[in-house]
Amino acid sequence: AQSVTQLGSHVSVSEGALVLLRCNYSSSVPPYLFWYVQYPNQGLQLLLKYTSAATLVKGINGFEAEFKKSETSFHLTKPSAHMSDAAEYFCAVRGSGGSYIPTFGRGTSLIVHP
Amino acid sequence: NAGVTQTPKFQVLKTGQSMTLQCAQDMNHEYMSWYRQDPGMGLRLIHYSVGAGITDQGEVPNGYNVSRSTTEDFPLRLLSAAPSQTSVYFCASSYLFGQTKGYTEAFFGQGTRLTVV
Repeated sequence: AQSVTQLGSHVSVSEGALVLLRCNYSSSVPPYLFWYVQYPNQGLQLLLKYTSAATLVKGINGFEAEFKKSETSFHLTKPSAHMSDAAEYFCAVRGSGGSYIPTFGRGTSLIVHP
Repeated sequence: NAGVTQTPKFQVLKTGQSMTLQCAQDMNHEYMSWYRQDPGMGLRLIHYSVGAGITDQGEVPNGYNVSRSTTEDFPLRLLSAAPSQTSVYFCASSYLFGQTKGYTEAFFGQGTRLTVV
C-alpha cells in the first residue's frame, strides 16, 4: 500500500529564511503525490501535485517540490518564508486498490518567527 | 461555486447520542470521503464512496456509517457517540483526471469540530 512519512512534526524558521518540509513516500507503483496546506480553523487546500510530467513542481504561494525517485522523496521548499506561511502542511499520496482516495502524512506545523 | 459544504461547524454531543454530519458538493465529483483529524495523527480515512450507491470502509470505520444516495450528498452518521470520537471531521470530494484517469485532486470542506462529553 502507498504511504507517506513526514519528517518533523514542527519546523520553525525565521521570516525570510528557506523553508524545507520533508516527505518520503513508499509505493509499489509510480506514485502520484500532493502537498496540501491547512490554515488555522480551515480545511485543506492543494498547494501542488506531482503527476510525472516534471520532477520539479511549482505550486501556489511560491512553494515548489522536487520528486526524487532515487531518494523516494518529495520535499516541499520555499526560498523565503513569510509570516502568512505559518500553517499545517500535509504530504499525500494517491491511494491504491482502485479507490484513488489519497493517504495523508501526519502533518508538519510550520512556525515562522519575525 | 460553493464547493464542499459541511454542516454543522461545531457540535457537542453526550456519550451515547447519535447524530449525522452533513456533506454536500456541487462539483459533480464522483469520489467523496470522510476523514478525521486528531493532533499528531494527520488525517485518517473513515469511509469513502466512488459513486452514488457505492461506499467502502477506510482506515478507522468503527462507530460510523455512511450512505451515498445522490452524487451530491455524503452524510456521516455517528451511531452512539463516544469520547474517542471527539475530533475534527473533514469531508472531501475528488475527481479523476489525466490521460489514464489516474490522478485525483481532493477538495475539502471547512470541517466539523465535534466534542463528545
